Amino acid sequence: SYVLTQPPSVSVAPGQTARITCGGNNIGSKSVHWYQQKPGQAPVLVVYDDSDRPSGIPERFSGSNSGNTATLTISRVEAGDEADYYCQVWDSSSDHYVFGTGTKVTVL
Amino acid sequence: EVQLVQSGAEVKKPGESLKISCKGSGYSFTSYWIGWVRQMPGKGLEWMGIIYPGDSDTRYSPSFQGQVTISADKSISTAYLQWSSLKASDTAMYYCVRRHSGDDAFDIWGQGTMVTVSS
Repeated sequence: SYVLTQPPSVSVAPGQTARITCGGNNIGSKSVHWYQQKPGQAPVLVVYDDSDRPSGIPERFSGSNSGNTATLTISRVEAGDEADYYCQVWDSSSDHYVFGTGTKVTVL
Repeated sequence: EVQLVQSGAEVKKPGESLKISCKGSGYSFTSYWIGWVRQMPGKGLEWMGIIYPGDSDTRYSPSFQGQVTISADKSISTAYLQWSSLKASDTAMYYCVRRHSGDDAFDIWGQGTMVTVSS
């Protein structure tokens, strides 16, 4: 089955840039989506199709995808960005949906 | 407003059955896939399965095939997740999700249903 690997944690100072990676075999050939989950809340879609943002999501959130790594970038990090982040793809070979292992972003 | 509203928290004993629900509103319920996602306490997100309410076409993750049943009643815009015999390891938060039109992201999430299985 297809596996998506994320770093368990990322720490960043306010105003700096956080980069969260999502590794998978030839992930660049798939569409990658990213979710933010704050404590006690349901996840929220923040980036879809590698780099598109749903309405209401700040431009500070951006994404890229190439080769074996997709990346979610959060620019000008704010305290309110502290959350768990998950990547997700649809694996066409199995017709299954796969989530990454999740990354906890801590704002210092 | 497009939303998915789930049924309330449940406390059950091992071996009991359970059916939780997810009601869609604000959009054409039969035109979007509805999935279920498990989150065990302190853990990550796991895709369980997905159903197309228009024709009840259903897919399951291998990890959940045979363990749960996903269904939908399009007449009341509601999807269901059910267990015939709960285990303590089924204790988790369960989210229903709507698959985004045109791609495979989950754009709308329910508020979650906490299921606790304990003797």
